Amino acid sequence: EDKVVQSPLSLVVHEGDTVTLNCSYEVTNFRSLLWYKQEKKAPTFLFMLTSSGIEKKSGRLSSILDKKELFSILNITATQTGDSAVYLCAGGNYGGSQGNLIFGKGTKLSVKP
Amino acid sequence: DGGITQSPKYLFRKEGQNVTLSCEQNLNHDAMYWYRQDPGQGLRLIYYSQIVNDFQKGDIAEGYSVSREKKESFPLTVTSAQKNPTAFYLCASRREGASANYGYTFGSGTRLTVV
Repeated sequence: EDKVVQSPLSLVVHEGDTVTLNCSYEVTNFRSLLWYKQEKKAPTFLFMLTSSGIEKKSGRLSSILDKKELFSILNITATQTGDSAVYLCAGGNYGGSQGNLIFGKGTKLSVKP
Repeated sequence: DGGITQSPKYLFRKEGQNVTLSCEQNLNHDAMYWYRQDPGQGLRLIYYSQIVNDFQKGDIAEGYSVSREKKESFPLTVTSAQKNPTAFYLCASRREGASANYGYTFGSGTRLTVV
């Protein structure tokens, strides 16, 4: 059965801290790993990772995929209160009748002033 | 502007009632999805449709029904058989063959509460 496991499930840090969120996956016909940020409503797309070892960056956020270990991390440096959200990891498989995303439970990040 | 519209944003249901959640997209996407999200949980797939007049059960389809009579619309009915329907419901659509973002677009969600 396909599954995506995120850890930790919740995390409380102070502004300025650096955090690392973890995501392991077991997805049949794996194609890509996606990260989303969710602040109450619809998830907002952050990154899509398809190749192993290539870091993707966007401002203070970065992410990398390890296809050998079936693992991805999301790093946030110099955290701000606006980073408080649930971060979702999802594994995507190749098309055909699928092409769906399998989501993890999410990591709830709280950044205190 | 193209996008996905879910309505209503908030919905209250009495026990034993059926309710229908609306999801409309003008993105010309072929695939549409319904997810359920409970507190502390990720998104769990209820139903999905790859093409008009066809849909498939996801992981938690019991107590739900859908239809896909038009490409733009994928309504979800929460029936009285769903024992614990209070949750946040997200609709998404996907463009086949998309490379970036896996082609997914999410609606803003409907929060359903049983009273």
